[in-house]
Amino acid sequence: GQNIDQPTEMTATEGAIVQINCTYQTSGFNGLFWYQQHAGEAPTFLSYNVLDGLEEKGRFSSFLSRSKGYSYLLLKELQMKDSASYLCAVNQAGTALIFGKGTTLSVSS
Amino acid sequence: EPEVTQTPSHQVTQMGQEVILRCVPISNHLYFYWYRQILGQKVEFLVSFYNNEISEKSEIFDDQFSVERPDGSNFTLKIRSTKLEDSAMYFCASILRTGHGYTFGSGTRLTVV
Repeated sequence: GQNIDQPTEMTATEGAIVQINCTYQTSGFNGLFWYQQHAGEAPTFLSYNVLDGLEEKGRFSSFLSRSKGYSYLLLKELQMKDSASYLCAVNQAGTALIFGKGTTLSVSS
Repeated sequence: EPEVTQTPSHQVTQMGQEVILRCVPISNHLYFYWYRQILGQKVEFLVSFYNNEISEKSEIFDDQFSVERPDGSNFTLKIRSTKLEDSAMYFCASILRTGHGYTFGSGTRLTVV
């Protein structure tokens, strides 16, 4: 079977750092993606990991451990506009993505 | 920045009717997708399209659904005989090559009444 788990909700304050975890169990693995989705909008691409380790892109970083079936998205210097859902998605085979249910992050001042 | 364009943004249809959702992927992209998201639920894969044919499809994509790339720019999803449970946001997406993040269109909200 296939399973992607993320916390349902998280809260944080402006300027803080937050880590959103994702664990996955899939029959295959070709890479892991993180997307941001504001309410009522389309997902937008944040990061892609296919090898173990950390990928950094500005305020956002993503980490992958394939042996543990684990990834996290790290958001630094949080801003109010970072309030959104963060979706973990696995490319199991081919090019289709399996999405987790998403983590709703609320950033307060 | 190039965009994936979807029309209409919102469609209301009666149960049992056929609908066609339209997408214009980014012009040099090679892989095209339809996903759906029922309100409050996760994004679900429907179908992928490459080299003018379906390359993958999910269990959701049954005989009720079909896709077409009629003219080299448009990419359509047809839903025959819509059901209430087809009400969802339908997203089109495209990528240039594997390993790239999808560019999603802004979606079509389909409401079946």
